[in-house]
Amino acid sequence: AQKITQTQPGMFVQEKEAVTLDCTYDTSDQSYGLFWYKQPSSGEMIFLIYQGSYDEQNATEGRYSLNFQKARKSANLVISASQLGDSAMYFCAMREGTGRRALTFGSGTRLQVQP
Amino acid sequence: NAGVMQNPRHLVRRRGQEARLRCSPMKGHSHVYWYRQLPEEGLKFMVYLQKENIIDESGMPKERFSAEFPKEGPSILRIQQVVRGDSAAYFCASSPGRENQPQHFGDGTRLSIL
Repeated sequence: AQKITQTQPGMFVQEKEAVTLDCTYDTSDQSYGLFWYKQPSSGEMIFLIYQGSYDEQNATEGRYSLNFQKARKSANLVISASQLGDSAMYFCAMREGTGRRALTFGSGTRLQVQP
Repeated sequence: NAGVMQNPRHLVRRRGQEARLRCSPMKGHSHVYWYRQLPEEGLKFMVYLQKENIIDESGMPKERFSAEFPKEGPSILRIQQVVRGDSAAYFCASSPGRENQPQHFGDGTRLSIL
């Protein structure tokens, strides 16, 4: 089974609108962390936001928020007020268990923001 | 630039040669990770190191690949006798001590095998 599933290979959004990028995960560990990264066409990986499995509130970082639904095992990224510079690949990743550091990445969603 | 530094940015090798990829972690970070990304795919974990120790190498191919993080100097990912299938982007990341802190990535090394 896939550990991280991103079901949207590509998404379009109009500038200034909000967009939700889906991520579901599969783990039997009680302790885990979920991360979102952005990869622009230039290729670097940029950390956006983190949610711990024991965090009671949804994480927010500026225009990024994470809609964390633990029972559904989903950790969707919400980008508000999209900008042209948000066009990029977005990867959801998970760290499982206590002591393990390896991140498991999903296959990514390519977001294109249209003017 | 206080970020994770990787070099070279691009590396071209012929089949059978050795490739050495270097990574200097962010200042204050003692944990280093290597990932590989094939075109149009997500990153795949290879190895996790602390100074002078390999902590988790569960993602490393059994042959030809090795990694080190010496007491002094950058972390090195070495690929011996490269083959065409080794062509990929190799990313290094670093983090401080706690496991819930994000890994910060370098810009990657694009390895091309002729």
